[in-house]
Amino acid sequence: QKEVEQNSGPLSVPEGAIASLNCTYSDRGSQSFFWYRQYSGKSPELIMSIYSNGDKEDGRFTAQLNKASQYVSLLIRDSQPSDSATYLCAVRLNDYKLSFGAGTTVTVRA
Amino acid sequence: NAGVMQNPRHLVRRRGQEARLRCSPMKGHSHVYWYRQLPEEGLKFMVYLQKENIIDESGMPKERFSAEFPKEGPSILRIQQVVRGDSAAYFCASSSMGETSTDTQYFGPGTRLTVL
Repeated sequence: QKEVEQNSGPLSVPEGAIASLNCTYSDRGSQSFFWYRQYSGKSPELIMSIYSNGDKEDGRFTAQLNKASQYVSLLIRDSQPSDSATYLCAVRLNDYKLSFGAGTTVTVRA
Repeated sequence: NAGVMQNPRHLVRRRGQEARLRCSPMKGHSHVYWYRQLPEEGLKFMVYLQKENIIDESGMPKERFSAEFPKEGPSILRIQQVVRGDSAAYFCASSSMGETSTDTQYFGPGTRLTVL
């Protein structure tokens, strides 16, 4: 079983729609969860971090965490063409090491 | 406010040569992490360093790869006798707090290594 798994893509959504990204993790002791955005050929850019159960909103982005289900998600509201990228879910396995999912590629259709 | 800096951005080496990748952490950060991203794959942890100390190198191949973070200067990831399978993007990240649950790692632009 992979440490971090993301829903397979690619995900194509029309402009203005909601893009929903899912991630599950295997280590029940994980405490910290991150979503990074990576444009093609570029480096990962942190867009959200979440540490406790529930929702966390930042602009058009909402992260949701459910530790009992070992599940973390990212919603992108009012999707824009500039949101087209690969989204990486990362889980901190111990106090420093990040384990990444393979990523979900999102394409927003104008 | 300079972010994490890496150089070179692109590096081409022939099989058997050495590759040296450099990383300067963000100002105020003393914790450095190296990750490798193979084509069409996610990032994989390689090594975690603090100044003059390797804390965890469990993700780094036992042979040909080494890393250091000297008291002065950038962190260096060194790959000796490169092979084609080493072709990948190598990302450095840095953080300020290291081993705390809320610590955040910020990534540099990466070095894209191509082995001919």
